[in-house]
Amino acid sequence: DVKVTQSSRYLVKRTGEKVFLECVQDMDHENMFWYRQDPGLGLRLIYFSYDVKMKEKGDIPEGYSVSREKKERFSLILESASTNQTSMYLCASSSRVAETQYFGPGTRLLVL
Amino acid sequence: GEDVEQSLFLSVREGDSSVINCTYTDSSSTYLYWYKQEPGAGLQLLTYIFSNMDMKQDQRLTVLLNKKDKHLSLRIADTQTGDSAIYFCAERYNFNKFYFGSGTKLNVKP
Repeated sequence: DVKVTQSSRYLVKRTGEKVFLECVQDMDHENMFWYRQDPGLGLRLIYFSYDVKMKEKGDIPEGYSVSREKKERFSLILESASTNQTSMYLCASSSRVAETQYFGPGTRLLVL
Repeated sequence: GEDVEQSLFLSVREGDSSVINCTYTDSSSTYLYWYKQEPGAGLQLLTYIFSNMDMKQDQRLTVLLNKKDKHLSLRIADTQTGDSAIYFCAERYNFNKFYFGSGTKLNVKP
């Protein structure tokens, strides 16, 4: 069964802190994605990775960075968290030729 | 390929049919999707349709695609309270790019 897991379901951080969100998939997928979800805005792509150590910016990469050192793991990093980064973060993965993405359960981040 | 639009809310009575609509802008989209999100959860793929198809049926779900008008719909027959969720329409317009609508919150009244 397809599985994408995220390290935390809920996270509370303070402004200026460095925040790591981790995503792991067990399907040997090449592609991994980070989205943020905000009410009325749907999902917006932050970054995606198509292979180990490879990444591409999505639509809203400002304030974020990513790391993919192993195929199964894709990390989203907030170098200095700000209150406007309070959101739901969703990780997804897909194989290189797959028709669809599989999503993790999401991490709800609150930055105070 | 960035504008995928959906209405924000839909309310139906249990047992009725629900129809959730979506419009997209990129005619080169290869696949179009419907995802369901229950409270506090990630997105669950419900169904998808390849762009050269007009219709796809899967049990209570029927997807209709009007490629000329760039209109996608999801019909849920015999809607149940367990169908209450947010439904997202999404398009894939190149290999790694997926664009999502803002989601339609379906409320099913008993």
